[in-house]
Amino acid sequence: EPEVTQTPSHQVTQMGQEVILRCVPISNHLYFYWYRQILGQKVEFLVSFYNNEISEKSEIFDDQFSVERPDGSNFTLKIRSTKLEDSAMYFCASRLIAGLYNEQFFGPGTRLTVL
Amino acid sequence: DQQVKQNSPSLSVQEGRISILNCDYTNSMFDYFLWYKKYPAEGPTFLISISSIKDKNEDGRFTVFLNKSAKHLSLHIVPSQPGDSAVYFCAAYYGGSQGNLIFGKGTKLSVKP
Repeated sequence: EPEVTQTPSHQVTQMGQEVILRCVPISNHLYFYWYRQILGQKVEFLVSFYNNEISEKSEIFDDQFSVERPDGSNFTLKIRSTKLEDSAMYFCASRLIAGLYNEQFFGPGTRLTVL
Repeated sequence: DQQVKQNSPSLSVQEGRISILNCDYTNSMFDYFLWYKKYPAEGPTFLISISSIKDKNEDGRFTVFLNKSAKHLSLHIVPSQPGDSAVYFCAAYYGGSQGNLIFGKGTKLSVKP
């Protein structure tokens, strides 16, 4: 069964460093998302991406964040200058547009630890 | 601003009995609701969904009920199995959005043998 994959599974970085989190969505899906979950809190929407551009972003997704689909398969989230509060699980998700309502499929997540 | 609320952080149920997980929402624009299950160190896994034009959707042991007037939905698992032990998230979105899910905080279900 097709699945969303994410690498790395765990990333440790120093405050102020840049990190890139990588995702490979399900191949025929058209909508891509990033969410995050800070320990003990709920899963929060960051950004959605469709047709090679950002569709919508939350207030969390400030100028330090960017997303890119550099080729036909990868979808990346870059944090330019990490802060301690960026420590969280980051989940990538993808959705097939075959109707207005359908589910998103999530990857296993990348645990980001900022020291 | 909690648009989707799961007020019970945890629930413990005996194997074979019914598990009922509850979810309330405040945004009347939501018209599609989903339940996800999450095991530790894994991403959320889609379980079942319901559109706002329905009041019930069933898939095997899982049934979701929607009460629009009360802005309440519930997930019933019958019979509960130890493998159902996980965190269950209620999520919602509205058709005018890009499908961006709004999640509740989750309910940790423990099914005891």
